[in-house]
Amino acid sequence: DSGVTQTPKHLITATGQRVTLRCSPRSGDLSVYWYQQSLDQGLQFLIQYYNGEERAKGNILERFSAQQFPDLHSELNLSSLELGDSALYFCASSVGDGGLYEQYFGPGTRLTVT
Amino acid sequence: GQQVMQIPQYQHVQEGEDFTTYCNSSTTLSNIQWYKQRPGGHPVFLIQLVKSGEVKKQKRLTFQFGEAKKNSSLHITATQTTDVGTYFCAGRASNTGKLIFGQGTTLQVKP
Repeated sequence: DSGVTQTPKHLITATGQRVTLRCSPRSGDLSVYWYQQSLDQGLQFLIQYYNGEERAKGNILERFSAQQFPDLHSELNLSSLELGDSALYFCASSVGDGGLYEQYFGPGTRLTVT
Repeated sequence: GQQVMQIPQYQHVQEGEDFTTYCNSSTTLSNIQWYKQRPGGHPVFLIQLVKSGEVKKQKRLTFQFGEAKKNSSLHITATQTTDVGTYFCAGRASNTGKLIFGQGTTLQVKP
């Protein structure tokens, strides 16, 4: 158990819909990262927040957005969903900002768009 | 932009054989991290290398950071079925400070 929690575990929705994925980082961690992992694909970095502020953006679509709240939990919003958005979405957290800190990954949310 | 490439993408070995995955960066790295993702699981941090030429061992796993800090390798001696999974390297670019994950090497071990 990494200490990072993600809800829901599974999500099945239809094309065109909007969903919200939630992540609670490890206690004491200030950074939250979001990754997308499609079948047999690597980890695609989406976005990072540190202490409530956006710090880095990766290959995140305009239909996707995220935020980190004052209690440090984060939400990833996916809208106008397409079949290709079906993937495993991981949240990770680290104590600091930047690549010197190891990241602790949550169990992931599996999104299926039908 | 910075890229971190991993080879091979897939490797099938017989139990007991050795395995190596290589990680190469287009730019100099400040440090490199390795993660393991078991089938159906999430990535788990294994180790971090910081110094040029650094070598670290964890039981049957040997991690190396290149002298130029642009490449790294993970070597597993005498693989076991418990080694099955995808191994990711993640390098931090010296100029941006951001961690970039490689595409991963998926290891299958035949008993």
